[in-house]
This record gives sequence, C-alpha cells and structure tokens, in this order.
Amino acid sequence: KQEVTQIPAALSVPEGENLVLNCSFTDSAIYNLQWFRQDPGKGLTSLLLIQSSQREQTSGRLNASLDKSSGRSTLYIAASQPGDSATYLCAVDNFNKFYFGSGTKLNVKP
Amino acid sequence: ETGVTQSPTHLIKTRGQQVTLRCSSQSGHNTVSWYQQALGQGPQFIFQYYREEENGRGNFPPRFSGLQFPNYSSELNVNALELDDSALYLCASSIDTGELFFGEGSRLTVL
Repeated sequence: KQEVTQIPAALSVPEGENLVLNCSFTDSAIYNLQWFRQDPGKGLTSLLLIQSSQREQTSGRLNASLDKSSGRSTLYIAASQPGDSATYLCAVDNFNKFYFGSGTKLNVKP
Repeated sequence: ETGVTQSPTHLIKTRGQQVTLRCSSQSGHNTVSWYQQALGQGPQFIFQYYREEENGRGNFPPRFSGLQFPNYSSELNVNALELDDSALYLCASSIDTGELFFGEGSRLTVL
C-alpha cells in the first residue's frame, strides 16, 4: 500500500528565506504527483502537477521536482512571503487511487 | 476560483442518520473524486467516478456510496453515521491530465 510522508510537519521562517518542503512515497508506480496549499478550513488549491515522465515543474516562485526511482519530491519556495503561510500537501496518483501526505504547516514571519 | 462547488458547507447529524453531500464539477471535467479529511490530517481518498461509473475506491466501507450524473454533478452518501465520520468532505474534479481541482468542502459534524 502506498504511503506518503511529508517532512517537516511544521516550519517557521522569516520573510525572504528560500525553503524546501519534502515529500516521499513508497510505491514508485505513480501516474503523477501534485502539490497543493490549504488555508485553514478551506479546500485545496493546486500549485504544481508533475507527470511521472517529468522531472520538475515551475510556477513563479515555486519549483517542484520529482525523482520517481527514489520516491521523492521537493517543493522549493523562493523569497518566501507572509502570504505563503498555509499547509502544503503532496498527493500521488496511483492510477485511480490517490494518497496524500499529512502536510507541512508553513509560517512565514514578517 | 476552481469552478467546483459543494453543498452544504456545514451540517450537523446524529449517529445512525444518513447524509447526502453534493458537488458540482468544473465544466467539461468527466472525473470526480471524494475525500475525507479529519482535523490535522491529509485527505483520505474515498472513491472516484469516471463517466458515471466508479473506477477507484479507497479503504472505506460500503456505507459510503456515490453517484455521478451526466451534468457533471455528483453525490456522496453516507449511511448509518458514526461519530468518527465527523470530518471535512472534499470533492475534486479532473480531466485527462489528472490534475485535481477541489471545492471548498462540506464540514460534517456527527453528534
């Protein structure tokens, strides 16, 4: 059974720092991997989608990488801002079954 | 704004009752999936529907059932509610790329 782990569980950084969030998964037979942010009590907002054949995707200050063979993905956030404070979740698609990590709660201090 | 809407936003039920949650998918999205999210946890996959047929299911008992309609709307039905069913229920729609677009969720409290 697929297991998705996110480290760290929580992270607090001063504004302007670059940071890396980690996601690992046990079954490399995935269709894609997706990163989301979730604000308290809200739904999930899609940030980046990486297909299994891709190595990375970029959107603005965000860059996500995927290493299927080692079961790892990272989300890099450049020049963090207080508005980036949220919980970040990764999810893997195991061909019609989806598995989420428990998230990394990010706090960016002004 | 993803275009995925869910109703109701909040509801309270008592143990043993039945509940129906509704989701309107983004136009043109032929796949819908449902998730249960307990407080402080990541979403747990319940099931997925593609063109009105269930084509994937997580580790949830049969009292969790669903429907998908031709107009891109769908339902999640939960029978014989238990206290542990209290959670945020999320639906997501998608197309061929597999990118998931989520609604804001329905917060269910079971007393």
